[in-house]
Amino acid sequence: ETGVTQSPTHLIKTRGQQVTLRCSSQSGHNTVSWYQQALGQGPQFIFQYYREEENGRGNFPPRFSGLQFPNYSSELNVNALELDDSALYLCASSFAAELNTEAFFGQGTRLTVV
Amino acid sequence: DAKTTQPNSMESNEEEPVHLPCNHSTISGTDYIHWYRQLPSQGPEYVIHGLTSNVNNRMASLAIAEDRKSSTLILHRATLRDAAVYYCIRQASGYSTLTFGKGTMLLVSP
Repeated sequence: ETGVTQSPTHLIKTRGQQVTLRCSSQSGHNTVSWYQQALGQGPQFIFQYYREEENGRGNFPPRFSGLQFPNYSSELNVNALELDDSALYLCASSFAAELNTEAFFGQGTRLTVV
Repeated sequence: DAKTTQPNSMESNEEEPVHLPCNHSTISGTDYIHWYRQLPSQGPEYVIHGLTSNVNNRMASLAIAEDRKSSTLILHRATLRDAAVYYCIRQASGYSTLTFGKGTMLLVSP
């Protein structure tokens, strides 16, 4: 059983650019959630994907978008990067049929926008 | 709105028990209480969760007040590896997303 893996681990981008972050969910998990964690804060929910469809969204603008693939891996895309997008981006996987149980988080991608 | 209140930080000595409090006075009857922790430079890690009854697992115990307005995470013997930010989270029944607050930073001294 493999855990949640994210790539890359670190990334530096310039303001205005676009970025794609990747997440491989834990084996058997069909739901992926993405979170943004600014320095010194708790993670904030961006959106969730289930069966390749967005299944809930937090208070983030449309330039934050995502995809989920048939193998349940996922991408987070951010367009028109702003300095405030600098953060740790976390993905978490879970099994939809087991609501209110534990989620498994990856180590995160540290994004720095300069 | 995390809807839970936790102290910003707490300190403990190694091998002593630690009681981490959480206030959730507006909790609804069907909200679950989850605890996650985040070690430095890592993603959050599940610790324990419960609904009404006290819960125990290999990592910790969760004591839930009878009125469910507060709960306490108990680490029976703190180790240096337990130094982390601990998040107490309310989760509505039937959901899988988590609303994090700022958590409690636990410092463990040798």
